[in-house]
Amino acid sequence: GEDVEQSLFLSVREGDSSVINCTYTDSSSTYLYWYKQEPGAGLQLLTYIFSNMDMKQDQRLTVLLNKKDKHLSLRIADTQTGDSAIYFCAERKDQAGTALIFGKGTTLSVSS
Amino acid sequence: GAVVSQHPSWVICKSGTSVKIECRSLDFQATTMFWYRQFPKQSLMLMATSNEGSKATYEQGVEKDKFLINHASLTLSTLTVTSAHPEDSSFYICSVPVSGSYNEQFFGPGTRLTVL
Repeated sequence: GEDVEQSLFLSVREGDSSVINCTYTDSSSTYLYWYKQEPGAGLQLLTYIFSNMDMKQDQRLTVLLNKKDKHLSLRIADTQTGDSAIYFCAERKDQAGTALIFGKGTTLSVSS
Repeated sequence: GAVVSQHPSWVICKSGTSVKIECRSLDFQATTMFWYRQFPKQSLMLMATSNEGSKATYEQGVEKDKFLINHASLTLSTLTVTSAHPEDSSFYICSVPVSGSYNEQFFGPGTRLTVL
């Protein structure tokens, strides 16, 4: 299908790790992205991974890519209350400069 | 990164009226901008690609006569929702693609449209 799938909601306690999962549609997608959306703010790019990589780590963020299963995950270590937001995975299917295809977003709620 | 602004951030209008939403790329010239629509608890759906100096490219199912796009300059694209109806109520977001190693897109903060 054409949908990028994400679980809709995740609740964790402060200090725990959060793992947000995503299934994308096209094995030929070149770049896969994770965006964060906070109320009243635009989408903020958190991290991205190129399709020839299996893993990327950036401070508290770890992205894992399983091309065989078309599965992407975002792990946030030591989750903070400020991490509460909606997280979107997105794929870029075509050539550079084209629009992205987004999942429905996962709402992360962090309790103290 | 590039800064993208949208105006207004929130608008309420009566059914049948038209509403114009502006998207500005404040520090980057953009020959292309994207317009997305986001329903509550839904993903961003691409509506159209705004092209400077030429007609916009609309996605399947998007009425081009209802959602008028004008890419007036390299820093400004406008989306006009004509004869708005309550079902047009949504969150409209624009983005500016920036060529680079991973071709990031910078997103505006969005415009909340409520049609009464």
